[in-house]
Amino acid sequence: AQSVTQLGSHVSVSEGALVLLRCNYSSSVPPYLFWYVQYPNQGLQLLLKYTSAATLVKGINGFEAEFKKSETSFHLTKPSAHMSDAAEYFCAVTLSADMRFGAGTRLTVKP
Amino acid sequence: EAGVTQFPSHSVIEKGQTVTLRCDPISGHDNLYWYRRVMGKEIKFLLHFVKESKQDESGMPNNRFLAERTGGTYSTLKVQPAELEDSGVYFCASSHWADNTGELFFGEGSRLTVL
Repeated sequence: AQSVTQLGSHVSVSEGALVLLRCNYSSSVPPYLFWYVQYPNQGLQLLLKYTSAATLVKGINGFEAEFKKSETSFHLTKPSAHMSDAAEYFCAVTLSADMRFGAGTRLTVKP
Repeated sequence: EAGVTQFPSHSVIEKGQTVTLRCDPISGHDNLYWYRRVMGKEIKFLLHFVKESKQDESGMPNNRFLAERTGGTYSTLKVQPAELEDSGVYFCASSHWADNTGELFFGEGSRLTVL
């Protein structure tokens, strides 16, 4: 069965610094991969998704992620953090119907 | 277009009581999912409906949980009797059958606190 592991439950960066949130997946075949974000008191919002087209995926709010099959990774990055990026981020994987999530990474942005 | 809506947004009940959570998916979405997140843990799959049929209920914790989707529209998740460990946020999500990318559209969640 497919699964994802997010490295680091908490990540803290300074405003303007690089954001890197790590996600590794486990799947017997190339899966679909997603990053969702949850802002305080809101639902899960899709940031970006990989569906076997381009390996570098661009999402909303300046985020992007690169699918690396050799490393079974799908890390999320943003060149310059903004205060509004403070939220919890979830990596997720699906092969067909059921989506499986990582434990989440809470991003703190310091002024 | 309205998104996935969930009700109530927050429910506080005592151990042994019953709670029913409701989810209205995006209109036209045949797939409906329930997930749960216990504090600080991962978001865990509970079950998946295709229209009114349960496609996969392997994630349901025990028989105190009952999910229904009569008529293939909205869904309810009933917990009876509630236990302390049932506290968490219950998310509902939906997707269109023709979308084979697997993307799910989530509601804002129903936070359940069992005292």
